[in-house]
Amino acid sequence: NAGVTQTPKFQVLKTGQSMTLQCAQDMNHEYMSWYRQDPGMGLRLIHYSVGAGITDQGEVPNGYNVSRSTTEDFPLRLLSAAPSQTSVYFCASSYRMGSGELFFGEGSRLTVL
Amino acid sequence: QQQVKQSPQSLIVQKGGISIINCAYENTAFDYFPWYQQFPGKGPALLIAIRPDVSEKKEGRFTISFNKSAKQFSLHIMDSQPGDSATYFCAASYNDMRFGAGTRLTVKP
Repeated sequence: NAGVTQTPKFQVLKTGQSMTLQCAQDMNHEYMSWYRQDPGMGLRLIHYSVGAGITDQGEVPNGYNVSRSTTEDFPLRLLSAAPSQTSVYFCASSYRMGSGELFFGEGSRLTVL
Repeated sequence: QQQVKQSPQSLIVQKGGISIINCAYENTAFDYFPWYQQFPGKGPALLIAIRPDVSEKKEGRFTISFNKSAKQFSLHIMDSQPGDSATYFCAASYNDMRFGAGTRLTVKP
């Protein structure tokens, strides 16, 4: 049972570089989301998707881009990385939006120099 | 602004003691209130959750108390153990899920 798989686990970027954080789930969940975790701030919602082809913004969407071409995959793109995007990123999924339990991946730790 | 306010930021409890973490929310549309537990280097995992039609839910040593009129809910960990040392997040959901800032619990042996 893989659940929610995130890659890479660690990444160091220079300011202005772009990269993609990958997220895949094998539970046939409709709803997928990205959060960032910062000390003292908890988990803040970046973007979410309620199904293939449908995405929407969360609390802190600026500087991030998402797409959802399949049910399984929900990549998060940083277009031009900034030091303020240094964080731990979590992908999470659930059966459908508002259905209850969110299942989280193990996180991707990103450092932007 | 944070839609879910959590306190305290950190908590130290002796083994066998009771750990209490509190949360408050503003949006009355929230209809699902979970608590997540996170160990270092891992993602959060659901610990226990409650819907607003009940005032209390107990699972083993973990209890959620829910006060709808005060828009507050709390997590009680009875007989706290060193293995309970982790970060705890409260959350509230209507469609998407919003989280509190987290409480780092340390249970001393």
